[in-house]
Amino acid sequence: SQTIHQWPATLVQPVGSPLSLECTVEGTSNPNLYWYRQAAGRGLQLLFYSVGIGQISSEVPQNLSASRPQDRQFILSSKKLLLSDSGFYLCAWSHGRPNTEAFFGQGTRLTVV
Amino acid sequence: DQQVKQNSPSLSVQEGRISILNCDYTNSMFDYFLWYKKYPAEGPTFLISISSIKDKNEDGRFTVFLNKSAKHLSLHIVPSQPGDSAVYFCAAREGSRGAQKLVFGQGTRLTINP
Repeated sequence: SQTIHQWPATLVQPVGSPLSLECTVEGTSNPNLYWYRQAAGRGLQLLFYSVGIGQISSEVPQNLSASRPQDRQFILSSKKLLLSDSGFYLCAWSHGRPNTEAFFGQGTRLTVV
Repeated sequence: DQQVKQNSPSLSVQEGRISILNCDYTNSMFDYFLWYKKYPAEGPTFLISISSIKDKNEDGRFTVFLNKSAKHLSLHIVPSQPGDSAVYFCAAREGSRGAQKLVFGQGTRLTINP
């Protein structure tokens, strides 16, 4: 069966510090990978998605970047965090075929202070 | 531009009764719709989905209805149980090739009262 791992679960970082959140998927190959963010009281906003190694698409302009160095690894990064980067970050994967659901990790609560 | 809207931020229902959560969308290219359930500090879990070629899909206590002409879908939970208390997200996807991007609504917090 497929599983998705996301860490850390919580993170408190000072403004201006770097960020690296990691997500890995097991039990499947060539998944589509996604990073979402849920701001307080808001829905889930798609930040980045990837259909293959090294292929990253950004949905919204922001202070963050994403990379996919391996087939089942997706990393969310920032060189210098802003207060507005605080939120709940979720990694997800889906099969590459149409009409399939996405499966989410447990999320990372990021607080920038 | 909010393409998927859940206009009710919260809903309170008596245990055993029916819970109805609503969702509207604006993008006519959406052809696959999903409902997710989310507990605090956890990732959303998939509940049920429906393709645009159908108007109803049922899975146990959960039924999703789709009205394409009205661009509206709803999730019915019957009977409602205390464990159903969570935030429910509606999501929609364009069933094209490549990335299957999900667009989410803002969520509805469902509270089931004993």
